[in-house]
Amino acid sequence: AQSVTQLDSHVSVSEGTPVLLRCNYSSSYSPSLFWYVQHPNKGLQLLLKYTSAATLVKGINGFEAEFKKSETSFHLTKPSAHMSDAAEYFCVVSGTGTASKLTFGTGTRLQVTL
Amino acid sequence: EPEVTQTPSHQVTQMGQEVILRCVPISNHLYFYWYRQILGQKVEFLVSFYNNEISEKSEIFDDQFSVERPDGSNFTLKIRSTKLEDSAMYFCASSGDGGGYQPQHFGDGTRLSIL
Repeated sequence: AQSVTQLDSHVSVSEGTPVLLRCNYSSSYSPSLFWYVQHPNKGLQLLLKYTSAATLVKGINGFEAEFKKSETSFHLTKPSAHMSDAAEYFCVVSGTGTASKLTFGTGTRLQVTL
Repeated sequence: EPEVTQTPSHQVTQMGQEVILRCVPISNHLYFYWYRQILGQKVEFLVSFYNNEISEKSEIFDDQFSVERPDGSNFTLKIRSTKLEDSAMYFCASSGDGGGYQPQHFGDGTRLSIL
């Protein structure tokens, strides 16, 4: 069975400062990992995905994540936060197979202040 | 960019009534999913569907739930006799079959409120 743990339920940063959202995973096989973002009253938008290619993955809106097998981590970063980044972020792991279910973390709410 | 659309955006139903949530997946996608998110809790997998059959379902997806692809474009989730605890945001997702792992694309969700 696979699972993800998001280490912070809430992160607050100032606009223009770096963002770090932490995620650890547990999987008995080589996982596919994702970050999704949910803005208020909106659906879940895919930010980026890791599927055993490059360990540093670049996504949309300047976000990136690094897969570290030795630390079982997949932290999400952005060099400079923008007000529009304020949202809920979910770390997600997939099972094996083309159409496997996604297992979500509990989410991290990112607040961006002026 | 193609998107998954869900209707209605908000559904209010009396306990015990049947409800059908509708989804139009991305047109060339072959795999379809339903997830739900109870307020304050994590997003949970309900069911996946491929080739007109359920591929996988969770423990949540009991006999009161059913899914159907009634035509070439819609994918529905039916809850036969709703309970208060069915109140949640329900998300539909779809994914393609382009080789390798294809990510799931989500709709904006239907907020289901059971009174």
